Amino acid sequence: KAGVTQTPRYLIKTRGQQVTLSCSPISGHRSVSWYQQTPGQGLQFLFEYFSETQRNKGNFPGRFSGRQFSNSRSEMNVSTLELGDSALYLCASSLDAHSSYEQYFGPGTRLTVT
Amino acid sequence: GESVGLHLPTLSVQEGDNSIINCAYSNSASDYFIWYKQESGKGPQFIIDIRSNMDKRQGQRVTVLLNKTVKHLSLQIAATQPGDSAVYFCAETANSNSGYALNFGKGTSLLVTP
Repeated sequence: KAGVTQTPRYLIKTRGQQVTLSCSPISGHRSVSWYQQTPGQGLQFLFEYFSETQRNKGNFPGRFSGRQFSNSRSEMNVSTLELGDSALYLCASSLDAHSSYEQYFGPGTRLTVT
Repeated sequence: GESVGLHLPTLSVQEGDNSIINCAYSNSASDYFIWYKQESGKGPQFIIDIRSNMDKRQGQRVTVLLNKTVKHLSLQIAATQPGDSAVYFCAETANSNSGYALNFGKGTSLLVTP
């Protein structure tokens, strides 16, 4: 079974630009979550999507948004990029069964803002 | 606000010894806890989880202990191997039946020496 895939793996953008990251969950998984990982703040929850609806949201500004498609694939968008947005963005998927909350993470997208 | 933190940023152990990684949390409403392992260049990998109605859970070479009285979580790794070298994160969430919004600790770097 293929794991969680994220594209692109590396990205360099300039301040003020916008960026879209993509995540394909494990087949059959309906929940997709996004996290930002930085050396200073660690792993921080951005948002979670389930059945094309945002179910949970972290404490990030409105510049960070996401969506989920009917095939469970998800995208996140960051507008008006700031230097502080440089981070590893991780996507995780889950079956969303109440017997297990195991999340499977992708390798991440390394975003550098210059 | 509520936070999840780790007692030690780095831990060095000899191959074959047991490792104990500790984690403190502050949200008394947390009802689900997870340990993840992250190797360099990879996304976090699920190790073991525990619900708040349990105080101990065992997996293959790993044991998680939960002390709700002092809000403390620990991960024990038996017979530590070089392949166990990685950063370990604890994570928690409250109201886990409402989806995934994990709150991660900063991480402990485990180094296994021969």
